Amino acid sequence: EPEVTQTPSHQVTQMGQEVILRCVPISNHLYFYWYRQILGQKVEFLVSFYNNEISEKSEIFDDQFSVERPDGSNFTLKIRSTKLEDSAMYFCASIRLANGELFFGEGSRLTVL
Amino acid sequence: ILNVEQSPQSLHVQEGDSTNFTCSFPSSNFYALHWYRWETAKSPEALFVMTLNGDEKKKGRISATLNTKEGYSYLYIKGSQPEDSATYLCAFKGSGYSTLTFGKGTMLLVSP
Repeated sequence: EPEVTQTPSHQVTQMGQEVILRCVPISNHLYFYWYRQILGQKVEFLVSFYNNEISEKSEIFDDQFSVERPDGSNFTLKIRSTKLEDSAMYFCASIRLANGELFFGEGSRLTVL
Repeated sequence: ILNVEQSPQSLHVQEGDSTNFTCSFPSSNFYALHWYRWETAKSPEALFVMTLNGDEKKKGRISATLNTKEGYSYLYIKGSQPEDSATYLCAFKGSGYSTLTFGKGTMLLVSP
């Protein structure tokens, strides 16, 4: 069964460092998302991506964050200069149609020291 | 900011018990209500996508109802089993938004 894959599963980084989280969505899906969950809090929307551009982003997704789909398969989330409060589990998700169910990856745990 | 609330926050039942949880969401500009099941160390997995007021959906022992006019959905589990232990998330999608707003989840523990 097709699945969304994410790498790395866990990354530890120093504050101020750049981090890139990678996702391979399901191949025939058209909409891509990043969500995050800070420990003990809700799953929060970061950004949605469709047709090679951002379609929606939250207040969390400030200038420190960027997304791209460089080669038609990978979907990456970059955090330019990590802060302590960026420590969270980051989930990539994709859907084929706009009103469909989300298929999530297993998450990338980011720890910023 | 959209308010999606789930209750209870956590629930501990015995194997064989039936249980239900609530998700409340804005009753205006409704588009869809999703339920996801999230087991520890795995990714959230979709259970239901509900779009019509009065919808009832069923998957095995799990079912869900939807009331868009009053802004709530119930998830029922009949005869809970230990493998049902997970966090159950609901997520609201409003008209004109491509994204989902998640509740905090209900953590279910089923003891044998």
